[in-house]
Amino acid sequence: DTGVSQNPRHKITKRGQNVTFRCDPISEHNRLYWYRQTLGQGPEFLTYFQNEAQLEKSRLLSDRFSAERPKGSFSTLEIQRTEQGDSAMYLCASSTGLAGADEQFFGPGTRLTVL
Amino acid sequence: AQSVTQLDSQVPVFEEAPVELRCNYSSSVSVYLFWYVQYPNQGLQLLLKYLSGSTLVESINGFEAEFNKSQTSFHLRKPSVHISDTAEYFCAVSDTDSWGKFQFGAGTQVVVTP
Repeated sequence: DTGVSQNPRHKITKRGQNVTFRCDPISEHNRLYWYRQTLGQGPEFLTYFQNEAQLEKSRLLSDRFSAERPKGSFSTLEIQRTEQGDSAMYLCASSTGLAGADEQFFGPGTRLTVL
Repeated sequence: AQSVTQLDSQVPVFEEAPVELRCNYSSSVSVYLFWYVQYPNQGLQLLLKYLSGSTLVESINGFEAEFNKSQTSFHLRKPSVHISDTAEYFCAVSDTDSWGKFQFGAGTQVVVTP
């Protein structure tokens, strides 16, 4: 399978715990994006990488959230001191980066439930 | 700043009937437009896109969308739906002068019944 993969697919945690999600993009894709999707809403942009550089972060990304993409390959999204409001589907997408707005390929998502 | 409005949160439709999903956007600059589909328990998949050229774009499974600049719309249509078209459909917009940041609409749930 050469698509975008995300792990874990589901995560249940208690409020206050830290969680980390992983995204493996399509191998030749330079750009990687994280989105958050809550029930009844479309995906909301969180952050974006061009290779290993994090070039933009949304105001939605509080200081409890951090994302990395070491070596420009896989990426991790960590949420510290989780809150119930963090419960959502976290989506990762990647694109070639060859054009200004090229197609983004999405992974299946990680569903986070904070109890 | 961009915004995308999908006017219908849910659209029930009978099999073999036509369907139209409405999408309106606002932007101060030129845009690229996309429709993504999310089947149950699957990730988002690109259905079709408008970048330039002909304002009518088509997908391989019978959907089409028309870019209307004056009405700032990108409505999605299919003349005859199948049960397998049951899914959530998202409209997205990206500024042509940006790196490709997408703004998504809230989605329209299409439920096809026999």
